[in-house]
Parts: sequence; structure tokens; C-alpha cells
Amino acid sequence: AQSVTQLDSHVSVSEGTPVLLRCNYSSSYSPSLFWYVQHPNKGLQLLLKYTSAATLVKGINGFEAEFKKSETSFHLTKPSAHMSDAAEYFCVVSDHGSSNTGKLIFGQGTTLQVKP
Amino acid sequence: KAGVTQTPRYLIKTRGQQVTLSCSPISGHRSVSWYQQTPGQGLQFLFEYFSETQRNKGNFPGRFSGRQFSNSRSEMNVSTLELGDSALYLCASSPLGAGGDTQYFGPGTRLTVL
Repeated sequence: AQSVTQLDSHVSVSEGTPVLLRCNYSSSYSPSLFWYVQHPNKGLQLLLKYTSAATLVKGINGFEAEFKKSETSFHLTKPSAHMSDAAEYFCVVSDHGSSNTGKLIFGQGTTLQVKP
Repeated sequence: KAGVTQTPRYLIKTRGQQVTLSCSPISGHRSVSWYQQTPGQGLQFLFEYFSETQRNKGNFPGRFSGRQFSNSRSEMNVSTLELGDSALYLCASSPLGAGGDTQYFGPGTRLTVL
């Protein structure tokens, strides 16, 4: 069975400093991994996704993530935080098993606070 | 292309009532999935519809049901509402619902049960 663990429920950084949001996954199949962001009272927006092509994935707004199979990790990074990055971030896994169509497994979320 | 739309955006109901939520997917997308988001349980998968058939279902009681129409629009129904059903209900669409497909989310319907 697939699962996702986000290692930090809350991360606080200063504007202009790097961001690191940590995610470990578990999957029986070759996984697809995603990071989504949710701003207050909004739906979920896709930041980036990994589907077994390049292990370093670049997303929108300067975010990127590296797939490390040996560590079963998919951490999200950004070199320099902006105030507008303050939001909740979800690490998500889906597998390619035929019984899991349309089903995403979400981590518990990490709230990113950006201080001026 | 227009994004995923959900109606209504906000609903207030009382215990015991039933409610129907609607989701219109991105044009050309045939898979619609529904999720429940609560502070305690996070985001949980409810069910997925493809070509008017439920293909996958999460661990929710039978009070939660859905359907999909020939134009891929989907509705979700919750009967005999309980206080614990208060949540943000999100729908997402994708071309085929296959693993690896990107799912595009709507803004959600905020349901409050009093």
C-alpha cells in the first residue's frame, strides 16, 4: 500500500532564505509523486510532478524536488522564499496499479510560514 | 480552457438533511475524483468516476454516493448528514484517471453541518 509522510507539520523561514519541505513515501509500484500547494480558502494547485523521467523535477514559482529512490524521499526546495509562498504544501503519491485509478494519497501537509 | 468548477461554494445544512454537490471537469477530461478535507483527517479520497462508472472508492460509509453524467459532470450526494461531515469537499479532474495523470482541483465546496 502507498503512503506519504511529511516530516514537518510546520516550517518557518525568513523571506529570502531557502525553503526545504521534507517528504518520504512508500509504494509497492513505481510511484508518481506530486507536490501541491493550497493557499487559504483555495483549492489545490500543482507545483510539480515526478513520473520516472528525470529525478530532479522543476516546478512553478522556482520550486523543485528531487526523487531519491534509495532514501524513498521527495523533498521540495526553493532557493529563496517569498512572502507569497506562505501556504500549506502537500506531498502526494499515486501508483500505477489498476486498482488505484484516480486515487491520490496525501501527506498530512506542511504549513510554510514566511517571516519578513 | 476553463478550470474545474464546483457549485455551490458554501453550504450550511442541519443534521439529518441531505446535500448534493456538483463538479464540472475541465473540457475533455473523463475522470472525476472527489476528496474530503478536514483538519483532523486531512485529505481523503472518496471515489472516482470515469465514463459514468464508479471505478474506485475510498473508505467512507454508504451515505456518501456520487454519479457522473455523459458530459463528465459529476455530483456527490451525502444523505443523513452528521456533524462530522462538515468539511471542504474537493473534486479533481484528469484525462483518464490513470496513475501519473495530473489531477486538477476545483476550489471546493465548504459544507457546514449544524
